[in-house]
Amino acid sequence: DAKTTQPNSMESNEEEPVHLPCNHSTISGTDYIHWYRQLPSQGPEYVIHGLTSNVNNRMASLAIAEDRKSSTLILHRATLRDAAVYYCIPPYSGGGADGLTFGKGTHLIIQP
Amino acid sequence: NAGVTQTPKFQVLKTGQSMTLQCAQDMNHEYMSWYRQDPGMGLRLIHYSVGAGITDQGEVPNGYNVSRSTTEDFPLRLLSAAPSQTSVYFCASSYNRVGYTFGSGTRLTVV
Repeated sequence: DAKTTQPNSMESNEEEPVHLPCNHSTISGTDYIHWYRQLPSQGPEYVIHGLTSNVNNRMASLAIAEDRKSSTLILHRATLRDAAVYYCIPPYSGGGADGLTFGKGTHLIIQP
Repeated sequence: NAGVTQTPKFQVLKTGQSMTLQCAQDMNHEYMSWYRQDPGMGLRLIHYSVGAGITDQGEVPNGYNVSRSTTEDFPLRLLSAAPSQTSVYFCASSYNRVGYTFGSGTRLTVV
């Protein structure tokens, strides 16, 4: 089963870019890399996903290493509202269950 | 669209009581799932469904039952509540397994 490794926490300043790393060295060639975030007292929120090439949407960018063993979620200009726990997730949980596997994620702290 | 609606938002149960957590979505999503989140932890998958009439177990299914009689609804039943089931429960749905939409959660306390 694919597993991911993320730093427990990161801190950044408001209006600066934030790079959130994720290691997924065991990911298979057809697994998409997904990112979700969870704001305080809310349910998780889909952020972005990708397979091989870099991806952009209105929330963030996803840079995927050429060997696909790691990826970086990029918030181009962090705001206080981006303070959340960010989860890098392989597509399916262990045992073939059709759901998401959440680790502890990275707690992103934004300083004003 | 209402998205994913969970009811109730808060519930206190006594040990041994049973109850049903409701989850409904109006996006015609085939894939639905239930998670629990304990303090300081990530979410863990309880049960999931890939369409009406089809359900299966996730990582932590013991003590919970589900059914999926319609595409819209995916209720989670606690058979005999235990303090270990005190948690926040999230329901999620997706059209294609890529971008799941989550509900706002049900905070359950079992005393």
